[in-house]
Amino acid sequence: GDSVTQMEGPVTLSEEAFLTINCTYTATGYPSLFWYVQYPGEGLQLLLKATKADDKGSNKGFEATYRKETTSFHLEKGSVQVSDSAVYFCALKYKNTDKLIFGTGTRLQVFP
Amino acid sequence: GAVVSQHPSWVICKSGTSVKIECRSLDFQATTMFWYRQFPKQSLMLMATSNEGSKATYEQGVEKDKFLINHASLTLSTLTVTSAHPEDSSFYICSARSRGIGELFFGEGSRLTVL
Repeated sequence: GDSVTQMEGPVTLSEEAFLTINCTYTATGYPSLFWYVQYPGEGLQLLLKATKADDKGSNKGFEATYRKETTSFHLEKGSVQVSDSAVYFCALKYKNTDKLIFGTGTRLQVFP
Repeated sequence: GAVVSQHPSWVICKSGTSVKIECRSLDFQATTMFWYRQFPKQSLMLMATSNEGSKATYEQGVEKDKFLINHASLTLSTLTVTSAHPEDSSFYICSARSRGIGELFFGEGSRLTVL
């Protein structure tokens, strides 16, 4: 069945370092792909999304490109801040359904 | 943005008791709410989908008599874990979809520990 695999965390970085969180997926069709972020004590929030191959989602300095050939949707940011410390979830969903299939989440810790 | 709130954020109970978790949409009407469960180091798994005024639809493998879901109004859904056992200890998260907008908003989660 469909699934999402994320790198296991925690990812620990110094402020202003480059961030990559890997996400790969297995899908029988052509889903949309998402990154959600959960800050401490808050609910998951949509960070960015891409709905078809080669689309790039971006928000708050984060980017991810829908790569069909490698079935990946890696999250990147050029220069992280302490305030980016959170848990990041990769997910997929098909059109016309509500079912999000999540990865395990990756905790990011950024130190000053 | 829209806010979804869960209560309690954590609860500890004895084996055999029932626990109710509430999910409220604070500033919008949620026609559909979703309940997820996350075990340590595992993915968030969808348990059930509830539409206001109708019975919840459960995912395969989720016991509907064990996890009672009620979506009595457009702003409130409840999950009751009946006769809880230690294996039910988990992180439960709800999400809600706003009527007409389609985006999902998530609660902060409720951690259940059954002793």
